[in-house]
Amino acid sequence: DADVTQTPRNRITKTGKRIMLECSQTKGHDRMYWYRQDPGLGLRLIYYSFDVKDINKGEISDGYSVSRQAQAKFSLSLESAIPNQTALYFCATSENQETQYFGPGTRLLVL
Amino acid sequence: TQLLEQSPQFLSIQEGENLTVYCNSSSVFSSLQWYRQEPGEGPVLLVTVVTGGEVKKLKRLTFQFGDARKDSSLHITAAQPGDTGLYLCAGDSGGYQKVTFGTGTKLQVIP
Repeated sequence: DADVTQTPRNRITKTGKRIMLECSQTKGHDRMYWYRQDPGLGLRLIYYSFDVKDINKGEISDGYSVSRQAQAKFSLSLESAIPNQTALYFCATSENQETQYFGPGTRLLVL
Repeated sequence: TQLLEQSPQFLSIQEGENLTVYCNSSSVFSSLQWYRQEPGEGPVLLVTVVTGGEVKKLKRLTFQFGDARKDSSLHITAAQPGDTGLYLCAGDSGGYQKVTFGTGTKLQVIP
């Protein structure tokens, strides 16, 4: 079984809809991250959490929110989706900052 | 915002050729990681370099961290189709800072 899982793997939604992407991990790590990936831009950090009570904005947090429900679960919400949020979204976990373990990604299309 | 620029952005070569991918920044990093991402999957860590001038080898892959810890290179000898993927560097500036990912190099090795 995968250490980091993401649901859904693919999602098509319409402008203005609220959607939630979920991430679960079985590695027992305290640190969790949400990234988005766009061609030519690499991975950009949306939010990160170093433990259940710690939530921090990344470089592109506008239009997104997160919830750390438990050590193993970190969800990302788009309150009102817009087309330029079309991207590949990755969740990651780490024990330290040197090594991050990524989920398989969620491909999101906002029409 | 710290920037990590990778070059080239795209590379298509024949099986058996050698290649070098570069990762450059104006910032100093306490460590730098290289990841490989295959289509439909999340990035997977290949190596971490920590010391300026450090060279690490992973089979046909050779990683070098610049003396000033601002840049790094990845050299692949006798490339194989299985090396095809997106190569990402990531720099850790230490402390409570997040990791910064590079823009990525997409490598295609043609049989």
